[in-house]
Amino acid sequence: KQEVTQIPAALSVPEGENLVLNCSFTDSAIYNLQWFRQDPGKGLTSLLLIQSSQREQTSGRLNASLDKSSGRSTLYIAASQPGDSATYLCAVTSGSRLTFGEGTQLTVNP
Amino acid sequence: GAGVSQSPSNKVTEKGKDVELRCDPISGHTALYWYRQSLGQGLEFLIYFQGNSAPDKSGLPSDRFSAERTGGSVSTLTIQRTQQEDSAVYLCASSAQGIVINYGYTFGSGTRLTVV
Repeated sequence: KQEVTQIPAALSVPEGENLVLNCSFTDSAIYNLQWFRQDPGKGLTSLLLIQSSQREQTSGRLNASLDKSSGRSTLYIAASQPGDSATYLCAVTSGSRLTFGEGTQLTVNP
Repeated sequence: GAGVSQSPSNKVTEKGKDVELRCDPISGHTALYWYRQSLGQGLEFLIYFQGNSAPDKSGLPSDRFSAERTGGSVSTLTIQRTQQEDSAVYLCASSAQGIVINYGYTFGSGTRLTVV
């Protein structure tokens, strides 16, 4: 059974800092890994999708890496802004199911 | 449409009543998923459709829950005799599932169900 773990569970940083969110998964037989953002009371917004054959993806200030053999992914956020405050979820696709981590709650203080 | 659409966005119902939640996936997306997120909890898988078939419905919590998909498009999640523990946000996602590759998931904004 696939299990996804995210560290840390919560993170508070001052505006402008670069930060890294971590995700690990137990079964390396995945199709892809996806990072989502969830604002309070809202649905999920897809940030980055990394296929199993890829090592990283970038979008603006976001960079996600994937090391499938070790079962790890990181989401790097550069020059953080208060608008980045949200819960960040990592999810892996294996078989027919998307398995989520518990998320990292990020607060960026002005 | 441009995104995954769910209706209603909010639903308050009395305990014991039946409710229907609707999901309109992105046109052409063959895979459709339902998830549930209870207050302060992670996302819980409910059911997966490929076309109109549900090869994985192992996440449905009880026989009060059922779902169908018609025309390879719209899906309806039905909860019968609702209980207070059914209160949660119900999220639908769709994906353009290829033969050997998955193109990622797009989620709707969810239906917030409150059972009183």
